Amino acid sequence: QLQLQESGPGLVKPSETLSLTCTVSGGSISSSSYYWGWIRQPPGKGLEWIGSIYYSGSTYYNPSLKSRVTISVDTSKNQFSLKLSSVTAADTAVYYCARQTGRSSTSSLGYYYYYYMDVWGKGTTVTVSS
Amino acid sequence: DIQMTQSPSSLSASVGDRVTITCRASQSISSYLNWYQQKPGKAPKLLIYAASSLQSGVPSRFSGSGSGTDFTLTISSLQPEDFATYYCQQSYSTFTFGPGTKVDIK
Repeated sequence: QLQLQESGPGLVKPSETLSLTCTVSGGSISSSSYYWGWIRQPPGKGLEWIGSIYYSGSTYYNPSLKSRVTISVDTSKNQFSLKLSSVTAADTAVYYCARQTGRSSTSSLGYYYYYYMDVWGKGTTVTVSS
Repeated sequence: DIQMTQSPSSLSASVGDRVTITCRASQSISSYLNWYQQKPGKAPKLLIYAASSLQSGVPSRFSGSGSGTDFTLTISSLQPEDFATYYCQQSYSTFTFGPGTKVDIK
């Protein structure tokens, strides 16, 4: 059974860089069917997708965060990581990692490729404060 | 950027009720729409993908419909374990979540 586990500091100072790692167990991060993503949720608010990475290292990011985000992968450790620079209090949130599955579908209307987050970590709380 | 809205933002319902939640995209997203359920202190759980495909292991009382800009999530007979917040998510162009709909006990 695939499991994801976030880890990293729970407290980060303003202007510093937030660094988190997601460890994948029960399956390989190098599977060709999946991307791996980061999502966050500020206290009492909704979900925000941060970015995603393929095992090859190909990435794509939320445009609103792109200038501050770096996601990387270490296939030898079955891990992927998030770095968010120049953090402020607005970056305080629960950070989740998730598997992003792709599934193709063909109909009379054409060919479609759907992505969705089907396996999630439990989340880790990161507070930005001095 | 594609913006997602949901209505209502919250609703109160009783066990056994039929519940419908609406999600609207700011532009056409075909059927690139997913639904998630989130309980307090827990990670979101995938319910529906591709607008109407039921994720494995999800009870059949959950169903999704719609295409283009308008989508619905329906719970045919609300159960005690269904009281939660529900989010839609578009996957047409990167990902954007809706603001959520909280379903609580009447």
